[in-house]
Amino acid sequence: DAMVIQNPRYQVTQFGKPVTLSCSQTLNHNVMYWYQQKSSQAPKLLFHYYDKDFNNEADTPDNFQSRRPNTSFCFLDIRSPGLGDAAMYLCATSSPLGPPNEQFFGPGTRLTVL
Amino acid sequence: RKEVEQDPGPFNVPEGATVAFNCTYSNSASQSFFWYRQDCRKEPKLLMSVYSSGNEDGRFTAQLNRASQYISLLIRDSKLSDSATYLCVVNRAGGFKTIFGAGTRLFVKA
Repeated sequence: DAMVIQNPRYQVTQFGKPVTLSCSQTLNHNVMYWYQQKSSQAPKLLFHYYDKDFNNEADTPDNFQSRRPNTSFCFLDIRSPGLGDAAMYLCATSSPLGPPNEQFFGPGTRLTVL
Repeated sequence: RKEVEQDPGPFNVPEGATVAFNCTYSNSASQSFFWYRQDCRKEPKLLMSVYSSGNEDGRFTAQLNRASQYISLLIRDSKLSDSATYLCVVNRAGGFKTIFGAGTRLFVKA
């Protein structure tokens, strides 16, 4: 089945230790998104790619970086995680050819910062 | 003021009840509108898109009022399995900027 896959599902890191979260998709969608969701809050868009075109949200901290080496994969790098970065990180995809911006989400990676 | 606002609830209703959720958005340039459902500790999943003419999918009806910048979701004959958080989602015209509301929690009880 076509899907959005995130690895790992659970990630524990230490304060200040860099961490990378990965997302892959078999939907062949042009657009990939990274969201941060804290408990009982809305998913917050960090950035998105349209193909290789990177779009950073104005309020996304510099501590968060992303890479998209090809259509299928996208990575979220947190350079120096702080306690406030503990959250669920959701990857999503969409296609400009489909219903306007219907997004397909991966299962998320839950990040714990010790 | 948040760009997309929802009543956080929770809404506690008995099985079979009809329940309505409201959502308001502040950016008049918003173009696409959706309701997503999110189960506890799971990812959001699309429930339905919302069109100006209104749309219905089984027990679910969504309405959009552009003049009032207001979106609604009506659930009829509630089932236990409808218990979840319902997220109002707005997309701005001309791009892929997607804004989620904080969600409304629904508990359906037997």
